[in-house]
Amino acid sequence: GEDVEQSLFLSVREGDSSVINCTYTDSSSTYLYWYKQEPGAGLQLLTYIFSNMDMKQDQRLTVLLNKKDKHLSLRIADTQTGDSAIYFCAESMHETGANNLFFGTGTRLTVIP
Amino acid sequence: DTEVTQTPEHLVMGMTNKKSLKCEQHMGHRAMYWYKQKAKKPPELMFVYSYEKLSINESVPSRFSPECPNSSLLNLHLHALQPEDSALYLCASSLRVGGEKLFFGSGTQLSVL
Repeated sequence: GEDVEQSLFLSVREGDSSVINCTYTDSSSTYLYWYKQEPGAGLQLLTYIFSNMDMKQDQRLTVLLNKKDKHLSLRIADTQTGDSAIYFCAESMHETGANNLFFGTGTRLTVIP
Repeated sequence: DTEVTQTPEHLVMGMTNKKSLKCEQHMGHRAMYWYKQKAKKPPELMFVYSYEKLSINESVPSRFSPECPNSSLLNLHLHALQPEDSALYLCASSLRVGGEKLFFGSGTQLSVL
């Protein structure tokens, strides 16, 4: 459950949609998350999905989960310059009764005005 | 109040110094975490506290000493650190062990000279 992969960089034009992809290896993950990190700041929880769901929508954000392929994606509609940040996907494993998040490598999203 | 507050924001210390990082939350969360994030890398779990008891120690060197004095506070005591310990130290909390949402603080940027 510790191999979570993302592409490192993504550039999009302002107003376009962004799609950030993530693959994970552990099929026993219970929750999958998307966090946003701006420079020098902590992680902001954007959204999460329970592993028995296929899709979750929250305003401009759409999360798609393909459990068979172990593939998670985050779509940001109408991308704005304020969306420029690093986006981490993470999978949640329950170990010894506690939560442990394994993070992907992060995707740096650059929004071009 | 959905905040996890960390102090200080920045810390510079020598290898012989003793310092402490502090984390506070007033959301009634009973699980608290320390993560370490090196530049351009994802966060890595260090410690998990559940109901003020240490439940996970991810083989962290003894120069890092966590403490959970009560359900709202989490400290990380630092002593005899090495330059390679320079990183962003993130605190997080969740409602309970196995809780699906982890809320992160904005971190302490630590530099060891």
